[in-house]
Amino acid sequence: GENVEQHPSTLSVQEGDSAVIKCTYSDSASNYFPWYKQELGKGPQLIIDIRSNVGEKKDQRIAVTLNKTAKHFSLHITETQPEDSAVYFCAAKYNFNKFYFGSGTKLNVKP
Amino acid sequence: DVKVTQSSRYLVKRTGEKVFLECVQDMDHENMFWYRQDPGLGLRLIYFSYDVKMKEKGDIPEGYSVSREKKERFSLILESASTNQTSMYLCASSTSRGAADIQYFGAGTRLSVL
Repeated sequence: GENVEQHPSTLSVQEGDSAVIKCTYSDSASNYFPWYKQELGKGPQLIIDIRSNVGEKKDQRIAVTLNKTAKHFSLHITETQPEDSAVYFCAAKYNFNKFYFGSGTKLNVKP
Repeated sequence: DVKVTQSSRYLVKRTGEKVFLECVQDMDHENMFWYRQDPGLGLRLIYFSYDVKMKEKGDIPEGYSVSREKKERFSLILESASTNQTSMYLCASSTSRGAADIQYFGAGTRLSVL
């Protein structure tokens, strides 16, 4: 099966700085990699995703990069704001409808 | 907007009790999922269903069962609750049409088994 590792487990940045969260996956057959943001008391919500035929995707202050050869993908948040504080999860789609999630990164943006 | 509703935010049960966690989605999604969320372990798939009355085991199905009698509702059943099932349970749904793969999550049910 698939195995997804996520680092770091906690990340503290100053408002305005950039934050980077990294994930690696084990199965080269995985072809879809979403990132979810979970705010306190809420369920995870998709913030950005990338498919295996694309190397990078951007949406305003958020970007995701994928290196298929190395089997790793990263979330980049620029110009962080206090409302970016949350737990972030990466995931890899292994086969039909099966997702494996990373262990989560708690991001704290200090004002 | 897709809405996934979990019937309880918090539940406290006793060891040995039969526990039902309910999930309803309002977007006519074919696929529904139950995950368990524990600190440091991320989300782990318990069961999923891709159609009414259809189910498949995820990675940690032991001690759980599911029921999907109607398309919009997916129930997770703990036949005999144990303390190691104390956790946050998340329900999700997705469609196999159009922008498939995106999972929509409910707010979660925090279950404590005493």
